[in-house]
This record gives sequence, structure tokens and C-alpha cells, in this order.
Amino acid sequence: GESVGLHLPTLSVQEGDNSIINCAYSNSASDYFIWYKQESGKGPQFIIDIRSNMDKRQGQRVTVLLNKTVKHLSLQIAATQPGDSAVYFCAETGGATNKLIFGTGTLLAVQP
Amino acid sequence: GAGVSQSPSNKVTEKGKDVELRCDPISGHTALYWYRQSLGQGLEFLIYFQGNSAPDKSGLPSDRFSAERTGGSVSTLTIQRTQQEDSAVYLCASSLGGFSGQYFGPGTRLTVT
Repeated sequence: GESVGLHLPTLSVQEGDNSIINCAYSNSASDYFIWYKQESGKGPQFIIDIRSNMDKRQGQRVTVLLNKTVKHLSLQIAATQPGDSAVYFCAETGGATNKLIFGTGTLLAVQP
Repeated sequence: GAGVSQSPSNKVTEKGKDVELRCDPISGHTALYWYRQSLGQGLEFLIYFQGNSAPDKSGLPSDRFSAERTGGSVSTLTIQRTQQEDSAVYLCASSLGGFSGQYFGPGTRLTVT
């Protein structure tokens, strides 16, 4: 629905710490999930994906966890760096078209 | 390799004018998507192409919005008789389909005055 403006949840971490960004997804039938990073003025950048038949997937410095029981996703970033500062979106998809349904996003602010 | 490209990067238009936004997907990607990102609404799906066909147009906000794709490649999103509420960033994404990631272009920022 309409809203005056999105108020993004913010996670503030110190450089070098680990970050955990959480996301609740809406559709229990969704079978594929993607995390995106979006920097100001740029399009969303693919970080990592996971299928519903998995509960964990690791990439370089990032790990995605999926809990289908409570419809929850998390993105863990190890040794957070200033360049990780951005808005992070989770997206879910399913069905024939695989259109993405995005969460509202979390702003990650890394303090040097 | 080349990613998804979009043009123009910025477009300012007067209310009531028509605009065309272009998307060049990653070569070989059969699936193409248009999304819109606005301050009040977040990221929302507009339309999906598989090849040149659009089996899902469910996100188009009104009949002022249309899109086409030719040669299984370039896509154009057209907004007729633009309104101020059309102001947003229009994003294009492409993928190989199925359980493969959607990769986004930089977007076109549309401002309707």
C-alpha cells in the first residue's frame, strides 16, 4: 500500500566486526531467495542466492541462512569493511515467472 | 563481461509527455524483468519477458504503461501521458531463467515535473 516514505531499519557496526542482516519473507511457497546490495545511485547488485532445499550457503565473506519453518532469511557478512556500507535487500521468488518480491531493505552503516 | 545496461540514466519530462526507457540485457539471458523503485513503495515488479513474449504483465500500474522486447534482447518500457506519480527509478534485470540470479542494470531515474 501507499506510505509517505520508507523508514529503513539501520544496522551500525564497527569495521572488522561481523554483521547479521535479517529478513522475514512472506510466501511459504517461495522456493528461491536472493540477497542484493544496493549502493546509492546504483542498481541492486547480486550477492548470494539459496534454494529452498538448502538451509545454508556460503560465499566469499558472506553466508546466507534459510529457516523455512519461520520464513526467515539472514545474511552474515564476516569482517565487515567500509565498502560493505549499503542497503541490503532480500528477495523471494517462486512460480513460473520467478518475479522477485523484495523486502523493505536494511541500511548497513560501517563505522571505521 | 558486459552487464545489463539501461538508457537514459536520467530523464526529466513534463507531465503529459510520453517517455521510452531502454534495457540491454546480458547476452544470452532469455528472461528479462522490469521493476520500479520509488521512495514510498520500495522495489516492485512491473513485467516479465521470456524471449519476446510477456507472460506476466501483472505489475504494470495502468494502461499508460507498456513494454516490448525484440530479437530476444533489447526491451523498451513506454510510459504514455506521464504523471508525477510515475517519478521513480526504473530498473531492468535479466537472467538465464529458473533458479539463476537476476542481474540488474543501473536504472533510469525518471522525474516528471
